[in-house]
Amino acid sequence: DTGVSQNPRHKITKRGQNVTFRCDPISEHNRLYWYRQTLGQGPEFLTYFQNEAQLEKSRLLSDRFSAERPKGSFSTLEIQRTEQGDSAMYLCASSTAGGAAGYTFGSGTRLTVV
Amino acid sequence: QKEVEQDPGPLSVPEGAIVSLNCTYSNSAFQYFMWYRQYSRKGPELLMYTYSSGNKEDGRFTAQVDKSSKYISLFIRDSQPSDSATYLCAMSPMDSSYKLIFGSGTRLLVRP
Repeated sequence: DTGVSQNPRHKITKRGQNVTFRCDPISEHNRLYWYRQTLGQGPEFLTYFQNEAQLEKSRLLSDRFSAERPKGSFSTLEIQRTEQGDSAMYLCASSTAGGAAGYTFGSGTRLTVV
Repeated sequence: QKEVEQDPGPLSVPEGAIVSLNCTYSNSAFQYFMWYRQYSRKGPELLMYTYSSGNKEDGRFTAQVDKSSKYISLFIRDSQPSDSATYLCAMSPMDSSYKLIFGSGTRLLVRP
């Protein structure tokens, strides 16, 4: 286990379709985060899990977005009824309880909605 | 106005130059300050982490935080072509240190 793994790396979907992304964190990390990064911008916080509990959701996370982390291991991020504005890089990160200093990011899933 | 402002660049320098990257911020509650490097189509990679004010040095990299001016800097000495990437500043407050607020990133190109 050498890092945070995200799949798929790239997803192209038609507007209105549902998509699901997966994140496998570093095994000893109990915190998991999702961020969204659009072209030319820095990542924006979406949501955060401590073990299996989702502790915070950004207002950026509309009703079409849902994230889960069953059993406190891997996490999934689902987007329903995708819109062109959802096109972005979706980044997953994990850390221990130390928080900000201990983040490790995955390489992201690039979503293109056509 | 964004909480964290960062000049997008691009910044082009010759190999061996000293590079200075900066961010300003508006939220006085920020206590943790980080610099990340992001190569194309990759996730951000932590370079430097500083708590509160002061300087921190690690090899060719020096991070400075001036909380009185709400201004942070990253200096890269003896820049190399492999340093060409986007550099993102990030910060978080004490009461929600798990949540990072990023700048928009500065693209750096180091010419051989």
